[in-house]
Amino acid sequence: GESVGLHLPTLSVQEGDNSIINCAYSNSASDYFIWYKQESGKGPQFIIDIRSNMDKRQGQRVTVLLNKTVKHLSLQIAATQPGDSAVYFCAETRGQAGTALIFGKGTTLSVSS
Amino acid sequence: NAGVTQTPKFRILKIGQSMTLQCAQDMNHNYMYWYRQDPGMGLKLIYYSVGAGITDKGEVPNGYNVSRSTTEDFPLRLELAAPSQTSVYFCASSYSMTANTGELFFGEGSRLTVL
Repeated sequence: GESVGLHLPTLSVQEGDNSIINCAYSNSASDYFIWYKQESGKGPQFIIDIRSNMDKRQGQRVTVLLNKTVKHLSLQIAATQPGDSAVYFCAETRGQAGTALIFGKGTTLSVSS
Repeated sequence: NAGVTQTPKFRILKIGQSMTLQCAQDMNHNYMYWYRQDPGMGLKLIYYSVGAGITDKGEVPNGYNVSRSTTEDFPLRLELAAPSQTSVYFCASSYSMTANTGELFFGEGSRLTVL
């Protein structure tokens, strides 16, 4: 069935490295994608979003890339810091008028000093 | 602003009991959502609402019911609790999913254990 998922469950990096977290989606009709960060014991927090009419969007230290041809989404974090350690989820909109937000399984990012 | 407020934060239920998880938001958001998150897993959408009086099923609606009588409140009802419903429940709201940003604002979660 259709799903939103991530390639790797865990990613370990050194402080200062760049991190790349990947996400594959199977619903070709999805037109809006969001990355969330979830710290332990807390609810998810919005990081950055991208619409299907874009290939790239940049925020503060984060960049999201969208490849619609292969239905792939990635989150790049520049100069990763210990405070970036968390679980990262990609999510896509589905349902009538794209109102339902469906989450993938998540990637745990661990940053060591 | 309080944002999204969930109550209770923790609850232990016996099998077969019923309860309601409360969710309220003070941001005048039209869209509200209930998710459950099992340990080490992602969030699964239970139900969502695009406005007062309108609700729709998500990925895992069985065993739950919702209502949306006001813009502010979106309670989640568990009837006949089962161990499989042990999870952390998150309520979220957003202004719109089709506007400039579909950012969801999440509550702190309600941890439910069914024994």
